[in-house]
Amino acid sequence: NAGVTQTPKFQVLKTGQSMTLQCAQDMNHEYMSWYRQDPGMGLRLIHYSVGAGITDQGEVPNGYNVSRSTTEDFPLRLLSAAPSQTSVYFCASSYVSPGGEKLFFGSGTQLSVL
Amino acid sequence: GENVEQHPSTLSVQEGDSAVIKCTYSDSASNYFPWYKQELGKGPQLIIDIRSNVGEKKDQRIAVTLNKTAKHFSLHITETQPEDSAVYFCAASVGNEKLTFGTGTRLTIIP
Repeated sequence: NAGVTQTPKFQVLKTGQSMTLQCAQDMNHEYMSWYRQDPGMGLRLIHYSVGAGITDQGEVPNGYNVSRSTTEDFPLRLLSAAPSQTSVYFCASSYVSPGGEKLFFGSGTQLSVL
Repeated sequence: GENVEQHPSTLSVQEGDSAVIKCTYSDSASNYFPWYKQELGKGPQLIIDIRSNVGEKKDQRIAVTLNKTAKHFSLHITETQPEDSAVYFCAASVGNEKLTFGTGTRLTIIP
């Protein structure tokens, strides 16, 4: 079981460039999410999906696009990169227990936008 | 929406001493409170969680306490060890809604 796999681990972009961060999970979880982590701001939700074909916006969705064609994959697209999108991005898959949502995170993508 | 505040932002303790991290939440309907640990270069990992119908939960050297009246919950780590050095995040949610995370605490264990 690889869990949640994110690629690439590091990426440098120029302002205006586009790119896709890849995320795949092998735990057969219905839920998947994208978070960004910035110093002093914790983990903020960008977009999430509750199943194939279903996506919704989180707290900070602007400038990002997602789609969910399969249970396993949940790519995050940066449409036109901006310096404000410099961050560490985490993909997570999850399931909802009787208590609440239990998240399993990938190892992250460190993105720099120049 | 929910707002979760976490303190302190950094914490250094001598190996073997105890560490306490505190979080407050704003939504009185929140009923699920997990804690995640993030080691250097890795993604966060769930270490313990508590539901609002429980006041305290322990797992070996880690415990979480919840005060619903004051709307705050805390992570307690006893007999700290070097491998406890990490960033810790608290979070809160209402039922099955998405989690709202705190801003994180960087814990350093001094040998």
